Amino acid sequence: QVQLLQSGSGLKRPGTSVKVSCKASGYIFSMYAMSWVRQAPGQGLEWMGWINTMTENPTYAQAFTGRFVFSLDASVTTAYLHISNLKPEDTAMYFCARGNDKGEYDYWGQGALVTVSS
Amino acid sequence: DIVMTQSPDALAVSLGERATIHCKSSQSVVYSSTNANYLAWYQQKPGQPPRPLIYWASTRESGVPDRFSGSGSGTDFTLTISSLQPEDVAVYYCQQSYSIPWTFGQGTRVEIK
Repeated sequence: QVQLLQSGSGLKRPGTSVKVSCKASGYIFSMYAMSWVRQAPGQGLEWMGWINTMTENPTYAQAFTGRFVFSLDASVTTAYLHISNLKPEDTAMYFCARGNDKGEYDYWGQGALVTVSS
Repeated sequence: DIVMTQSPDALAVSLGERATIHCKSSQSVVYSSTNANYLAWYQQKPGQPPRPLIYWASTRESGVPDRFSGSGSGTDFTLTISSLQPEDVAVYYCQQSYSIPWTFGQGTRVEIK
């Protein structure tokens, strides 16, 4: 069965960085794009962007250019979200989600909670 | 960017009654070549990731109860829960995938009256 298993949750100090992992299993990794979605505490869903798992080409929403980097390692079917120079406003749950050809996210990771506080 | 606006922000419905959520996009999300509306609906319960319910505006995902239905085309869409059950208490989001960035509505909270 398809699974997206996330890791990388934790408390981080402002100015440091974090890498969130999304390990995919149960399907051919390169056949589906991987997206990242942010959800701040008590707030709605915010589309961060996506990465083409075949070409490794990332696309970022405007609000997520600069400090946010999507990458992947196809050999271990894992996508990564790296956030540098963390700020308190980056405190959120970060979800990876598999996008399909119907334009929907049919599978989601369980989320990684990143808390930024001094 | 396409702006997705849901109404209402919150909704309280009695058990067994109908719940209706509206979603309006700032521009059409229908591909003229296929006539498909790239509009999806998700359900999110506390502490869980979103669960896909509907894609192409009106096609139910496998395993989704048939009390959930989606309708609409172009810029105006509706998610209907025909007979609200206790397990339907959640926040519901619409999302367009017509153009990047794929944007979400702000969410509608559904509660039991």
